[in-house]
Amino acid sequence: QVHLVQSGAEVKKPGASVKVSCKASGYTFSAYYMHWVRQAPGQGLEWMGWINPNSGGTKYAQKFQGRVTMTRDTSISTAYMDLNRLTSDDTAVYYCARGSNSSWYSSFDIWGQGTMVTVSS
Amino acid sequence: DIVMTQSPDSLAVSLGERATINCKSSQSVLYSSNNKNYLAWYQQKPGQPPKLLIYWASTRESGVPDRFSGSGSGTDFTLTISSLQAEDVAVYYCQQYYTTEITFGPGTKVDIK
Repeated sequence: QVHLVQSGAEVKKPGASVKVSCKASGYTFSAYYMHWVRQAPGQGLEWMGWINPNSGGTKYAQKFQGRVTMTRDTSISTAYMDLNRLTSDDTAVYYCARGSNSSWYSSFDIWGQGTMVTVSS
Repeated sequence: DIVMTQSPDSLAVSLGERATINCKSSQSVLYSSNNKNYLAWYQQKPGQPPKLLIYWASTRESGVPDRFSGSGSGTDFTLTISSLQAEDVAVYYCQQYYTTEITFGPGTKVDIK
């Protein structure tokens, strides 16, 4: 069974950073791109970027350039999303999602359960 | 960036009736070299992550009931639920993956009338 299991909820102060992990199982981790998507309370889905677990190459949405870093550890089949300079607007559920094929231009067929990040003073 | 719009914002349909959701992209997501539309549909129920229903605009994901179908090409797309079931109450999103800046539509909420 293919699964993505994310780290637990976080509460952060404005200006801080958060690092969310996403552990993959049931498939070859390096063979599929990993995307990150967030969803503010009551709002829609917002794509943040992807990482190619094979090469470590990344592509970030323009909105998050300079503030987000996506990394991976292939030895433990885990992807990470690091977001810094947090504000209250970053309060959201953060999802990792697997690309459906071996390229970045794909739908997302497997999703993590989501990680709630709350930014509050 | 490609802007995705959806209509209606919400709709209520009687059980067993048809539900139709529209999605429009600000530019074509049809790649001429392979004749594929880079468009997907997702279903999201409260408290759950999104679930992939349709990709390449009309290909149903494995395990998705055949009452869900996708159609359209270029800039105009439709998700149809042929006979609405109670478990189909959810928000539905379209997504384009044609450009490096992947974007989603704002979502359409489907309820039972």
